[in-house]
Amino acid sequence: EPEVTQTPSHQVTQMGQEVILRCVPISNHLYFYWYRQILGQKVEFLVSFYNNEISEKSEIFDDQFSVERPDGSNFTLKIRSTKLEDSAMYFCASSETPTGRELFFGSGTQLSVL
Amino acid sequence: KQEVTQIPAALSVPEGENLVLNCSFTDSAIYNLQWFRQDPGKGLTSLLLIQSSQREQTSGRLNASLDKSSGRSTLYIAASQPGDSATYLCAVRGGNNRLAFGKGNQVVVIP
Repeated sequence: EPEVTQTPSHQVTQMGQEVILRCVPISNHLYFYWYRQILGQKVEFLVSFYNNEISEKSEIFDDQFSVERPDGSNFTLKIRSTKLEDSAMYFCASSETPTGRELFFGSGTQLSVL
Repeated sequence: KQEVTQIPAALSVPEGENLVLNCSFTDSAIYNLQWFRQDPGKGLTSLLLIQSSQREQTSGRLNASLDKSSGRSTLYIAASQPGDSATYLCAVRGGNNRLAFGKGNQVVVIP
């Protein structure tokens, strides 16, 4: 069964460093998303991406964050200068359509900022 | 802003009992509602998707109902098994194309 793949599964970084989280969405999907879950809290939306541009972003997604689809298969989230409060599980998701179909999530990248 | 609440936050049941998990949301203008399963430290596995025009969806031992006008959904898991132990998340998709999640129902099925 097709699945969303995320790498790495765990990432430890020092505060102020840049990190790139990688995702391979399901191949026929056109809409891509990043969500995150801080320990003990709700899963929260970061950004949606379609047709090589951001279609929507949340208040969390400030100038420290960026997303890119560098080729036909990968979708990345970059955090330029990590803060302690960026420590969370980051989930990539994809869907065929923007509203009518299921979102399929990857297994997540656990980011720890020290 | 859409707020999603799940009750109870945690529950333990003996194996074989039916599970009833509740989800409520504040804004009834939704496209659909999706139930997920999350194992500790793991990703989100989609269980069921209910479109706003539907009243329920079934998959195996799982049945989810939706009452959009009252802002409620219920996930029923029949004849629970220890392997059903997990956190179950409810998420609604509104006009802004975001999924708004509840905090989850943490379930332990006791053998």
